[in-house]
Amino acid sequence: DAKTTQPPSMDCAEGRAANLPCNHSTISGNEYVYWYRQIHSQGPQYIIHGLKNNETNEMASLIITEDRKSSTLILPHATLRDTAVYYCIGHRGGKLIFGQGTELSVKP
Amino acid sequence: NAGVTQTPKFRILKIGQSMTLQCAQDMNHNYMYWYRQDPGMGLKLIYYSVGAGITDKGEVPNGYNVSRSTTEDFPLRLELAAPSQTSVYFCASSYSGTPRQDYGYTFGSGTRLTVV
Repeated sequence: DAKTTQPPSMDCAEGRAANLPCNHSTISGNEYVYWYRQIHSQGPQYIIHGLKNNETNEMASLIITEDRKSSTLILPHATLRDTAVYYCIGHRGGKLIFGQGTELSVKP
Repeated sequence: NAGVTQTPKFRILKIGQSMTLQCAQDMNHNYMYWYRQDPGMGLKLIYYSVGAGITDKGEVPNGYNVSRSTTEDFPLRLELAAPSQTSVYFCASSYSGTPRQDYGYTFGSGTRLTVV
């Protein structure tokens, strides 16, 4: 399973784009990258996932580098409700293994 | 459609007591998981199941047991509670382990357990 590295915390101004980086240099070729977030100790919430192509949904965009060693989650217009811990996770063999995550604070 | 339901939401146990954390899902998901989350930390996988009658250990299985007699239910058993098991426990489910067929795990709201 890929080990992921994320900055422990980040700030973002409300209305601006939040760009959350993740390094996953040990990821294998068939291992997906998942992003989840956890708001105030609630159960984690799925955001997006990808293998090697960039992905976009109603919540966010995921940019994966060509060598797949890193990715960036983009929240295009962050709101105060996006304040949460964001987890970048490798997924293989039917298991999600969580790391420490990035605590994103969206400020007015 | 309730999703993943965990009971109880809160519990205080004395050292050495036993209890079962309940988890039920109504989405006909094959895969189910138990995680624990200590304060300020990420989630750690305790046990998981890929279908009824099949369970396997995760990262931190010691002190816990599970069973999966039905697709819907995946209870977690603590036999001899210890202070180190004070944590928030999350149950999750997914349709399969293959991301192309599944848009992610659905998590329950958690059980907050304190062992004193």
